[in-house]
Amino acid sequence: SQQGEEDPQALSIQEGENATMNCSYKTSINNLQWYRQNSGRGLVHLILIRSNEREKHSGRLRVTLDTSKKSSSLLITASRAADTASYFCATPSGSRLTFGEGTQLTVNP
Amino acid sequence: DAGITQSPRYKITETGRQVTLMCHQTWSHSYMFWYRQDLGHGLRLIYYSAAADITDKGEVPDGYVVSRSKTENFPLTLESATRSQTSVYFCASSAQGAVNSPLHFGNGTRLTVT
Repeated sequence: SQQGEEDPQALSIQEGENATMNCSYKTSINNLQWYRQNSGRGLVHLILIRSNEREKHSGRLRVTLDTSKKSSSLLITASRAADTASYFCATPSGSRLTFGEGTQLTVNP
Repeated sequence: DAGITQSPRYKITETGRQVTLMCHQTWSHSYMFWYRQDLGHGLRLIYYSAAADITDKGEVPDGYVVSRSKTENFPLTLESATRSQTSVYFCASSAQGAVNSPLHFGNGTRLTVT
């Protein structure tokens, strides 16, 4: 069963714009992870944010976590064509990690 | 090269045949995982292993068998392939389990069952 759901399913922007993707989940969690998947490749870990953190940065990535709303967002600033990929949130479910279906981001040059 | 390697990259097989997908990691990570990725379902966990000789079922284990005799290898076998097992299969590893540390994924095996 899916724990996290990403929104929107697809997002198309111009290079240089910011991209925001959201993840909602159903049950309390200790942390949440974001992954990127380029076409034809495996997933790559981006950020892990813990339940006691509200915001975390990594380069052009900013992740927020609102445990009261059971939601997280991933912001990519000053997007580049190379950011074109699918982005997934992943949440713990017992000892397992469950993934949403992802947001397909297209950054147009 | 360090990392996680899956083979083959592409595989076509017939219904009823046995097929084994290989996964090898060079980090000596304790945990290894098999996921399948399908449109409309995202990634679903098939099996995972916390250490050599320790394996456990995931969300969709039926029709699959795993073994882990060595820390670095985690093969996935489809005992009698069915069309519903056509999918992209990803192997992953992590140092401290899935929920508290990042997963490192291979580039996947695209399996087609005809």
